[in-house]
Amino acid sequence: QSVLTQPPSVSTAPGQKVTISCSGSSSNIGNNYVSWYQQVPGTAPKLLIYDNNKRPSGIPDRFSGSKSGTSATLGITGLQTGDEADYYCGTWDSSLSAYVFGTGTKVTVL
Amino acid sequence: EVQLVQSGAEVKKSGESLKISCQGSGYSFTSYWIGWVRQMPGTGLEWMGIIYPGDSESRYSPSFQGQVTISVDKSISTAYLQWSSLKASDTAMYYCARQGFYGDHEGDNWGQGTLVTVS
Repeated sequence: QSVLTQPPSVSTAPGQKVTISCSGSSSNIGNNYVSWYQQVPGTAPKLLIYDNNKRPSGIPDRFSGSKSGTSATLGITGLQTGDEADYYCGTWDSSLSAYVFGTGTKVTVL
Repeated sequence: EVQLVQSGAEVKKSGESLKISCQGSGYSFTSYWIGWVRQMPGTGLEWMGIIYPGDSESRYSPSFQGQVTISVDKSISTAYLQWSSLKASDTAMYYCARQGFYGDHEGDNWGQGTLVTVS
C-alpha cells in the first residue's frame, strides 16, 4: 500500500494538456523533494522531473512539475502518442526512512 | 555515457538462493547511491533499498528489511541484490537505479531490469 496516491488513469486527445496529481503527507511530500518518472510499457522508468520542478537534460519543456503543501502535480502539454505510459511520483519518506513511489497513473492519448 | 547494466533473467525454484547484479559505467561509481526497485507483474514500483558504493553503507525499506541483502563490489563497479531463500511472491522485474545525482534521492539512470521468475 503506497503512501502516495495518484489517480489510476487519465486520458485526453493529442495536443491537449494533462495533469497528474500525487497526494502525500508531511512526512513525505510536505518536507521533501518530489520526482516524477515515466515508464513506457516493457521498459525501465525514466526520470522526468526532480527537485519538484527541475528537468534533467534532454527532457522537453512540455513536462513540468509543481508542489504545494503535501501534494505535487505533473503537467504534460502538447500530448503526443509517444507520451502514453505509466507515470509515478516519488519522494523520501522521513517517517519510513525510505524512498516511496506513488500508485502510478496510466496516461492514454485518445 | 552513464550506464547501468543488469544481469540476465533468472528462473528459480522456491527455496533456492539468487544474486543479481548491476554494473555501473561512465561515471564515478563510488560517489552515488545505487537503489533497487521491485515491480511485480502488472503493478507499480516499490523501492527496496539502497547502497553507497563508497563505503558500502546500506539502508532498506521496512517492507524489505530482512528479506533481501544489498551489497557492492566497488572494485568492479557492481552492486548486488541477493535472496537466501526465494518465494513464488519474489517473481518480479527488478531494477537498479543511480540515486542522488542531483542531490536528493531521485533515480536519474536506470538499469534495463532483471526478470526473476520463481516457481
